[in-house]
Amino acid sequence: TQLLEQSPQFLSIQEGENLTVYCNSSSVFSSLQWYRQEPGEGPVLLVTVVTGGEVKKLKRLTFQFGDARKDSSLHITAAQPGDTGLYLCAGGDDKIIFGKGTRLHILP
Amino acid sequence: GAGVSQSPSNKVTEKGKDVELRCDPISGHTALYWYRQSLGQGLEFLIYFQGNSAPDKSGLPSDRFSAERTGGSVSTLTIQRTQQEDSAVYLCASSLESGGDQPQHFGDGTRLSIL
Repeated sequence: TQLLEQSPQFLSIQEGENLTVYCNSSSVFSSLQWYRQEPGEGPVLLVTVVTGGEVKKLKRLTFQFGDARKDSSLHITAAQPGDTGLYLCAGGDDKIIFGKGTRLHILP
Repeated sequence: GAGVSQSPSNKVTEKGKDVELRCDPISGHTALYWYRQSLGQGLEFLIYFQGNSAPDKSGLPSDRFSAERTGGSVSTLTIQRTQQEDSAVYLCASSLESGGDQPQHFGDGTRLSIL
C-alpha cells in the first residue's frame, strides 16, 4: 500500500522567514503533485514533478523531487501571509492518494 | 461555470437517513474522484471512475457507501443509514484522464453533518 507522510504537521512562522515542508514515502512514485487548500475550498494544484531530481520554481516556491522518486520537498522563501493554507502532496498511478498535509500559518 | 460543481454545499441530516451527494465534473474530463476530508485532516480516497467504470472502490469505508457515474459525466455518492462518523467534507475532483501526472480539479465540497 502506498502511503505519503508529510512533515511537519503544523508550522507557524513570521512573515519574511523561509521554510521547508516534506513529503516522504517508502514507495516509488512516477510523479508527485503539490496542492494548496484554503478553508471552505477544494485543493488547487501548484505543481507536478515527474523526473527524479527535478526542481521546479513557482515564484517564491521551490519544489524538488527526490532522485529516487520517493520523496519531495517544498521550500518557500520570504513567506507571506497569503501563503497560509494546507499544503498537500499527492501521487499514484490511477488511484491518487494524498498525504495528511502541512498546515502553514504565516504571521504578519 | 467551467469548474467542478458539487451539490448540495451543505447537508445536515439525522442519523439513519440516506443522503445523496452530486458531482458535476468539467466537461470532457474522463476521470472522476471522490475523497473524504475530516476536520483539519488530509484527503481520504474513496473511489475513482474512468468513464462510467469504477476500477478501484477500495476506499469506500463500508457497504453503506456506493457511487455511480452515468453518461461519463455526473456522479452521485450515496450514503445509506448515515452514522455520526460519516460527518465530513466530501470532495469531488475530475481530470482529463486518469493518472498521477494529471491535474485534478476540485469542487468546493459538500459539508455533511449527521446529527
